Amino acid sequence: ETGVTQSPTHLIKTRGQQVTLRCSSQSGHNTVSWYQQALGQGPQFIFQYYREEENGRGNFPPRFSGLQFPNYSSELNVNALELDDSALYLCASSLNRNRWEVAYEQYFGPGTRLTVT
Amino acid sequence: AQSVTQLGSHVSVSEGALVLLRCNYSSSVPPYLFWYVQYPNQGLQLLLKYTTGATLVKGINGFEAEFKKSETSFHLTKPSAHMSDAAEYFCAVSRGTGGGNKLTFGTGTQLKVEL
Repeated sequence: ETGVTQSPTHLIKTRGQQVTLRCSSQSGHNTVSWYQQALGQGPQFIFQYYREEENGRGNFPPRFSGLQFPNYSSELNVNALELDDSALYLCASSLNRNRWEVAYEQYFGPGTRLTVT
Repeated sequence: AQSVTQLGSHVSVSEGALVLLRCNYSSSVPPYLFWYVQYPNQGLQLLLKYTTGATLVKGINGFEAEFKKSETSFHLTKPSAHMSDAAEYFCAVSRGTGGGNKLTFGTGTQLKVEL
């Protein structure tokens, strides 16, 4: 069974640029969530996708957007990068029976470390 | 709105001593609670979770936690610390509005284990 994988591992971008981060969910999982973890902080929920549809969004501006593909892999796109976007971006997957399910644990990938200069 | 408070951003224990990491939650509905561990430069690994049923939950690596509704707490314990337990620990709650298992995390507790 393959776990959650993320790419790239690290990247450095300049303020104002755009970035795309990728996540492959664990085999059989239909739900993907993205989190931002700033240095020294706990992860903050960005948004979740359930079966290719957005299923909730945290307190992040519209320049943070995402997609989930038919194979349930996912992308996180960030436009107009700001210095404060520097963080570890974590993807987590789970197998949910429906879009309202709250109990299922999420399995996290190793993250993508984004540095904005 | 739901939230989690972890008391103590840094905890230091001797090898073999009791580990106690504190977590208090705030939720308008019965919460689902989780503890995750994060080793340096890695993602999060689930230690244990509480959803319903038995309030004492046992997890991996000898950790356990007890859900106490009256105290709104979900403290993590381990009877005897090992050097390999040194990591950052996050308490999280999943029970928001709008459905879905979105996690709200605490700010984390860095556990140091000394010889």
